[in-house]
Amino acid sequence: NAGVTQTPKFRVLKTGQSMTLLCAQDMNHEYMYWYRQDPGMGLRLIHYSVGEGTTAKGEVPDGYNVSRLKKQNFLLGLESAAPSQTSVYFCASETSGGAGETQYFGPGTRLLVL
Amino acid sequence: SQKIEQNSEALNIQEGKTATLTCNYTNYSPAYLQWYRQDPGRGPVFLLLIRENEKEKRKERLKVTFDTTLKQSLFHITASQPADSATYLCALANDYKLSFGAGTTVTVRA
Repeated sequence: NAGVTQTPKFRVLKTGQSMTLLCAQDMNHEYMYWYRQDPGMGLRLIHYSVGEGTTAKGEVPDGYNVSRLKKQNFLLGLESAAPSQTSVYFCASETSGGAGETQYFGPGTRLLVL
Repeated sequence: SQKIEQNSEALNIQEGKTATLTCNYTNYSPAYLQWYRQDPGRGPVFLLLIRENEKEKRKERLKVTFDTTLKQSLFHITASQPADSATYLCALANDYKLSFGAGTTVTVRA
């Protein structure tokens, strides 16, 4: 099993450009999450999904959109990138939320917005 | 407002000693708390979970305590090794989501 994979690993964007980050998991997990991690700050939840076809806002959703068309994939979109979105993005998946299950994280995507 | 605070400074310890990390929280009532390890350039990896009705949990050289009165969890690495060098994150259950602290970086000197 590959676990949680993220594509791409690294990307440089210019302000105003758009891009989509892909997260895929092969563990048949219901819950999936997108976080961003900035220096000196904890992982902050952007959006999450409790199952195929569902999405919900997290702590810092502005400037991002998500889709969960297939259970194994969770896409994070930036419609018009801004320098403030320079960060490392992590995707995670979990069997089911709220029951003390482990979150499994991907390797991260480093995004630089110029 | 809700806040999770971990040791603000990095921890440098000698091999063989015990590292103790602190996670304090305010305005949360977590049903459980988790600890993760993160190596540079990688995603966090789960280490331990402790529930609100548990005082202590152990896994090999790791020990976690959870005091809901003090609103604090302590994470101990005993007989530390250079391979334990990493950043350690605490995470609190928040509805069916996790809220993470900023992490404490531990460096174990040989």
